[in-house]
Amino acid sequence: AQSVTQLDSQVPVFEEAPVELRCNYSSSVSVYLFWYVQYPNQGLQLLLKYLSGSTLVKGINGFEAEFNKSQTSFHLRKPSVHISDTAEYFCAVSEGTNAGKSTFGDGTTLTVKP
Amino acid sequence: EPEVTQTPSHQVTQMGQEVILRCVPISNHLYFYWYRQILGQKVEFLVSFYNNEISEKSEIFDDQFSVERPDGSNFTLKIRSTKLEDSAMYFCASRPFSAYNEQFFGPGTRLTVL
Repeated sequence: AQSVTQLDSQVPVFEEAPVELRCNYSSSVSVYLFWYVQYPNQGLQLLLKYLSGSTLVKGINGFEAEFNKSQTSFHLRKPSVHISDTAEYFCAVSEGTNAGKSTFGDGTTLTVKP
Repeated sequence: EPEVTQTPSHQVTQMGQEVILRCVPISNHLYFYWYRQILGQKVEFLVSFYNNEISEKSEIFDDQFSVERPDGSNFTLKIRSTKLEDSAMYFCASRPFSAYNEQFFGPGTRLTVL
């Protein structure tokens, strides 16, 4: 069975500061990894994904993440955050099979303060 | 760019009533999913569907729930007798057959059970 742990439930940070949102996963098979952002009362927007290839993936809005297989981690980073980045962020893992469902973490609330 | 659509965007119903949530997956996708998100909580897998049958379901997906692909384009989730605790955002997702592809999520239907 697969599982996802988001290590921080809330991350407050000042505008223009760097941020890292941590995600660890466990799975017995190869996985695909994702980060989603959710603004209040809205749906899930895909930020970035790791399916194969380079372990450093770049996404939208200046976010990037690095897949570390040995540490089973997929931490999300941004070098300089904006007020508009305030949202809920979900890490998700999907088994590398076509029918594989996604398992989501509990989410991290990123609050960017002026 | 093709996208998953869901209707209605918001459904209000009385406890004990039946509801049907509708989804139109991306046309060449073969795997279909339903997830739910109770307010303030993480996204949870309900069911996956392939080749006109359920391929996997979670503990949440009990006898009150059913899924159907009635006409080759729609994918529906039916809740036979709604309970207060069914109030949540319900997300539909679809996925193509080929490898190295993620699930594509719809915008969600907010279900409110009174």
